[in-house]
Amino acid sequence: GAVVSQHPSRVICKSGTSVKIECRSLDFQATTMFWYRQFPKQSLMLMATSNEGSKATYEQGVEKDKFLINHASLTLSTLTVTSAHPEDSSFYICSAKQGLYEQYFGPGTRLTVT
Amino acid sequence: AQSVTQLDSQVPVFEEAPVELRCNYSSSVSVYLFWYVQYPNQGLQLLLKYLSGSTLVKGINGFEAEFNKSQTSFHLRKPSVHISDTAEYFCAVSPYGNKLVFGAGTILRVKS
Repeated sequence: GAVVSQHPSRVICKSGTSVKIECRSLDFQATTMFWYRQFPKQSLMLMATSNEGSKATYEQGVEKDKFLINHASLTLSTLTVTSAHPEDSSFYICSAKQGLYEQYFGPGTRLTVT
Repeated sequence: AQSVTQLDSQVPVFEEAPVELRCNYSSSVSVYLFWYVQYPNQGLQLLLKYLSGSTLVKGINGFEAEFNKSQTSFHLRKPSVHISDTAEYFCAVSPYGNKLVFGAGTILRVKS
């Protein structure tokens, strides 16, 4: 089946630093990837849609200068949280779209900003 | 715009009992419907999906769901649950196969 990986699975960083999260589709090519954020005991909230070779589309209320997304290849999208603050601490999940409608999810990255 | 309502935040059930997790949606356009399961500190795994055709869809791990267009519902069922089914379940809709809109989730707790 389709497999999506994320790296790192867990990261702790100091306030004011930046952290990069990678999302890879391991056995298929994905022109579209999605980045979600999940707060404790809450649902997934779509942050942005990442399209290979073009700019990401951000959801309303998501700061594009803070959450930088790069989709440089058909198998890799990265999310960089710039100048992270404690309120950015969350569980970040990516998904990769295969075909017309199916999304495969990565295992998630737990970000803790101290 | 689309929205998804999962009516129960938590559902406790004894092992080997049947369970139904309820999901209602609202959309002005046709949507695809999905159920995902999430185990603690993990990503989401697709249980089943409805795209078209038969309104009863079967998924993995013995789960099934029925699409009811008139009631705009897509309830998830399993006739006999196992301890290992304890997890959080998310209903989601996707207009024309684009982005997913998730419900708030239902935690299924299976007790022995």
